[in-house]
Amino acid sequence: AQRVTQPEKLLSVFKGAPVELKCNYSYSGSPELFWYVQYSRQRLQLLLRHISRESIKGFTADLNKGETSFHLKKPFAQEEDSAMYYCALLSGGYNKLIFGAGTRLAVHP
Amino acid sequence: DAGVIQSPRHEVTEMGQEVTLRCKPISGHDYLFWYRQTMMRGLELLIYFNNNVPIDDSGMPEDRFSAKMPNASFSTLKIQPSEPRDSAVYFCASSLGPGRGVTGELFFGEGSRLTVL
Repeated sequence: AQRVTQPEKLLSVFKGAPVELKCNYSYSGSPELFWYVQYSRQRLQLLLRHISRESIKGFTADLNKGETSFHLKKPFAQEEDSAMYYCALLSGGYNKLIFGAGTRLAVHP
Repeated sequence: DAGVIQSPRHEVTEMGQEVTLRCKPISGHDYLFWYRQTMMRGLELLIYFNNNVPIDDSGMPEDRFSAKMPNASFSTLKIQPSEPRDSAVYFCASSLGPGRGVTGELFFGEGSRLTVL
């Protein structure tokens, strides 16, 4: 079965600390994975795609097929990173995304 | 463009009542998605359309839920009769088709928060 697992509902860190938001997936084919973010009072939006191998707002995510993981990392968290983060897997049909349950990141001053 | 527009933003109703949620996708987008967000299960895909045609409704929880897209600029999600367990935030999203946009990039509306008493 295709599944995305985000084991942490809440991750609380202090400003300047490293952040790692965990995401594991289950998929039989070659996966395409994404991170979406929802800031307070804003719409859910795409943060980054594994296929682009890009860094957005200091965040990176590496696809590890051996561990079936796609963790989101940032070396130094900022208060403005506080938001809800969703990992998503492209599943079958075009743009059909399966989302994880989400992790709320709280960055404290 | 104002983005994906959903209405109502908030709906409070009593068990057994019919609920209709509405969505206007971004003009020119070929795909429209309905998701449900709950604390326990996160974002669940309910149904999606391509060029107004339902492609996959396997996520629709039961026959009480139905969705239509009569034209390229309007879709509805209906719950009849509603139950307290339907309380959630319902999101509509749209995207461009293959070759015309970024794969995996969905544009979400602000959501409709439904409370069924």
